[in-house]
Amino acid sequence: EDQVTQSPEALRLQEGESSSLNCSYTVSGLRGLFWYRQDPGKGPEFLFTLYSAGEEKEKERLKATLTKKESFLHITAPKPEDSATYLCAIAGGSYIPTFGRGTSLIVHP
Amino acid sequence: GAGVSQSPSNKVTEKGKDVELRCDPISGHTALYWYRQSLGQGLEFLIYFQGNSAPDKSGLPSDRFSAERTGGSVSTLTIQRTQQEDSAVYLCASSSTSYEQYFGPGTRLTVT
Repeated sequence: EDQVTQSPEALRLQEGESSSLNCSYTVSGLRGLFWYRQDPGKGPEFLFTLYSAGEEKEKERLKATLTKKESFLHITAPKPEDSATYLCAIAGGSYIPTFGRGTSLIVHP
Repeated sequence: GAGVSQSPSNKVTEKGKDVELRCDPISGHTALYWYRQSLGQGLEFLIYFQGNSAPDKSGLPSDRFSAERTGGSVSTLTIQRTQQEDSAVYLCASSSTSYEQYFGPGTRLTVT
C-alpha cells in the first residue's frame, strides 16, 4: 500500500528564514511525486512533478528534490505570501494518487 | 485557459435532503477525481473516472453517495439523505495522462 508522511505538521518562519518541508513515501513503482500548495478556502494548486531520484525542480523561492525515500520542498528567503498548506502526493501502482496530510506553513513579516 | 470549475461554491441543506454537486473539468482531460476535505483534515478520495472506463468507486463512504460523468466531461456527485457528518468541502480535480491534478475551488457543503 502506498503511503505518504509529511513533516512537520506545522511550521512557523520569520520572513527570510529558509527551511525545508519533508515528504517521506513508500510506493511500489513510483510514477511521480507531486507538490501542491493550498490556500485557505481554495483547492490545491499544482506546483511540481518529480519522476526519479536526483531530479530537482524550481519555481521562484521553492525548490523540490527527490530521493528514493523522500522529497524535500526547500523554501528560500520566504515571504508572508508563501504562507499556505503544502501537500505532497505520489502516484504508484494505483492510478489514484495518495496524498499526505500536509504541512501548514506560516511566514511572519 | 479555463481551469476546473465547481458549482455551487456553497451549499447549505437540511439533514435528510439530497444534494447534487457539479464539476466541469479542464477540456481534454480524461481523468476526473472527487475528494472530500473536512476541516483540518487531509484529502479523502471518493471516486475516479478515466475516459469511458468503469469508475473506481472504492472511496465512496456509503451507498448514499454516487457520481456520474456524462460525455466524458461534466461530472455530478450526488449525496442522498444527507447527514451532518457529510459536511465538508468537496473538491474535484482533472488530469491528463501525467497524474498531475488540477483542482477546482471546491463546494462547501453544510448539513444542518
